[in-house]
Amino acid sequence: NAGVTQTPKFRILKIGQSMTLQCTQDMNHNYMYWYRQDPGMGLKLIYYSVGAGITDKGEVPNGYNVSRSTTEDFPLRLELAAPSQTSVYFCASSLSGARVRDGYTFGSGTRLTVV
Amino acid sequence: GQQVMQIPQYQHVQEGEDFTTYCNSSTTLSNIQWYKQRPGGHPVFLIQLVKSGEVKKQKRLTFQFGEAKKNSSLHITATQTTDVGTYFCAGGTSGTYKYIFGTGTRLKVLA
Repeated sequence: NAGVTQTPKFRILKIGQSMTLQCTQDMNHNYMYWYRQDPGMGLKLIYYSVGAGITDKGEVPNGYNVSRSTTEDFPLRLELAAPSQTSVYFCASSLSGARVRDGYTFGSGTRLTVV
Repeated sequence: GQQVMQIPQYQHVQEGEDFTTYCNSSTTLSNIQWYKQRPGGHPVFLIQLVKSGEVKKQKRLTFQFGEAKKNSSLHITATQTTDVGTYFCAGGTSGTYKYIFGTGTRLKVLA
């Protein structure tokens, strides 16, 4: 099992550019999440999805968009990149959200720098 | 909105000393999870606590969930250099599908 795969691992964007961070999981998990982690800080939830076709905002959604057309994929779109979006982005998945006893499986992250 | 705070923010210990991190939520939780993130790595799930007053152990790690289900702690006995990393708690609330992560405690173990 590959688990949660994120691409790219590193990216440098110029201010105003756009990009899509890819996330795919092969565990047939219903729930998927995008977090950002600023240097030395905790994890902030950007968006989450409870299944294909269903997404919802987290704590810090501004400047981002998501879609969930399949169970496996949950891409994160950055429009008009800004320096404040420099961060490490983690995608995670779980079988059942916050209800039963399974934890999140995280991808290895995408390190994004906006200059 | 819900906030989850952890103290201390940083902790340096000599190898062999004990370590404890505390997690406090502004709201009552239905359950709490703990994760470990090695430097440069991604968070890895350690354990979940569900019951009020629950205590669970994993080798040298002891996890507790408070009676009021608003706080939790992680205690490491006789730290080793392999314990280095940031420990996060994550609180879940009834009826939600997401966890709110704490601010994290960064542990450094000096050999």
